Amino acid sequence: GAVVSQHPSRVICKSGTSVKIECRSLDFQATTMFWYRQFPKQSLMLMATSNEGSKATYEQGVEKDKFLINHASLTLSTLTVTSAHPEDSSFYICSARREGVAYTGELFFGEGSRLTVL
Amino acid sequence: KNEVEQSPQNLTAQEGEFITINCSYSVGISALHWLQQHPGGGIVSLFMLSSGKKKHGRLIATINIQEKHSSLHITASHPRDSAVYICADSNYGGSQGNLIFGKGTKLSVKP
Repeated sequence: GAVVSQHPSRVICKSGTSVKIECRSLDFQATTMFWYRQFPKQSLMLMATSNEGSKATYEQGVEKDKFLINHASLTLSTLTVTSAHPEDSSFYICSARREGVAYTGELFFGEGSRLTVL
Repeated sequence: KNEVEQSPQNLTAQEGEFITINCSYSVGISALHWLQQHPGGGIVSLFMLSSGKKKHGRLIATINIQEKHSSLHITASHPRDSAVYICADSNYGGSQGNLIFGKGTKLSVKP
């Protein structure tokens, strides 16, 4: 089946630093990827839609200057948390949409990245 | 406002038991997803369905569009089924990522 890989799976950083998380579709091309955030004991929430070759679309309440998204190729989207603060500590998950005539555009999820900001 | 409610929140079962997890949503959808989240956090998509019933191994998902309700069944449960099961719906076509997620059902299967 289709595989989506996220890296790193865990990252600990100091407050004020920036952290980059990668999301790769390993065996299919994805023009659209999605980034979600999950706080402890809460539901997943969509943060933004990443579109290959164009600007990301952010959900209401998500700061685009803080959460930079780059989707430079059909298999890679990156999320950069800039000037991270402890309240940004969360579990970040991406998903990629497989497209093509033979597919129904189903979503495949990454393993997630747990960010801890000290 | 579209809301997704799951029940139960927590479920403990003995190995071999038949398990049912329920999901209700308030707004008409185009597709409903069942996801499995492992203890480490990674998510696996189990089913995406917009009508009827789907089966994969010991897992069965059903949906009743009129009643806005879906169920996930696990037959002959096993400790390795222990995980959080999440339902999520989409109003924009099943392939869109703008899903509304339930809070999940934490399943623990005891040997």
